[in-house]
Amino acid sequence: TQLLEQSPQFLSIQEGENLTVYCNSSSVFSSLQWYRQEPGEGPVLLVTVVTGGEVKKLKRLTFQFGDARKDSSLHITAAQPGDTGLYLCAGVFRTGNQFYFGTGTSLTVIP
Amino acid sequence: EAQVTQNPRYLITVTGKKLTVTCSQNMNHEYMSWYRQDPGLGLRQIYYSMNVEVTDKGDVPEGYKVSRKEKRNFPLILESPSPNQTSLYFCASSPNPLHEQFFGPGTRLTVL
Repeated sequence: TQLLEQSPQFLSIQEGENLTVYCNSSSVFSSLQWYRQEPGEGPVLLVTVVTGGEVKKLKRLTFQFGDARKDSSLHITAAQPGDTGLYLCAGVFRTGNQFYFGTGTSLTVIP
Repeated sequence: EAQVTQNPRYLITVTGKKLTVTCSQNMNHEYMSWYRQDPGLGLRQIYYSMNVEVTDKGDVPEGYKVSRKEKRNFPLILESPSPNQTSLYFCASSPNPLHEQFFGPGTRLTVL
């Protein structure tokens, strides 16, 4: 089993603070995706990164893909209560077609 | 509307009673998969299918069967459910595994 390690597992911050979530693996990704999941619902895609070193911005969210394509980070600037949710990294490794998810980061933004 | 549908949404059953969870997508996607989500373990892929009549095991296939006789449908079969299969199940589809996965609404299964 190829593992995606996410950290931190839980994060509780005040509105307006910044935060970073990390996703790491020992294997090379073909592509890596970040999803957000609300309780009782399926995950919804935030972004896909493909190229090593790639940086993508989605409003207050910045996604970075490591140069070696083994790790990624999600940075949220000035967090808002609406950012509360479970953030999941996921992807396919270069060696196959199986799709893997990280264990997730549960974010709570306190007003 | 482009969507992935799953049925039933909620199911309570007893050990050993065969059940099927249906999954259907209307986006003409080639790649479909089933996941289970458990606290502390995240989403784990059970089975996936690259195309009609092509299925492969994911991380946790034991106790499950799937079939892909048509592109749009990918049912999950539990021949003899056990309590450790109590979980939240998601079906997903995409053009291929490198693209966005579109998820169904989930099926919450309880096996007593």
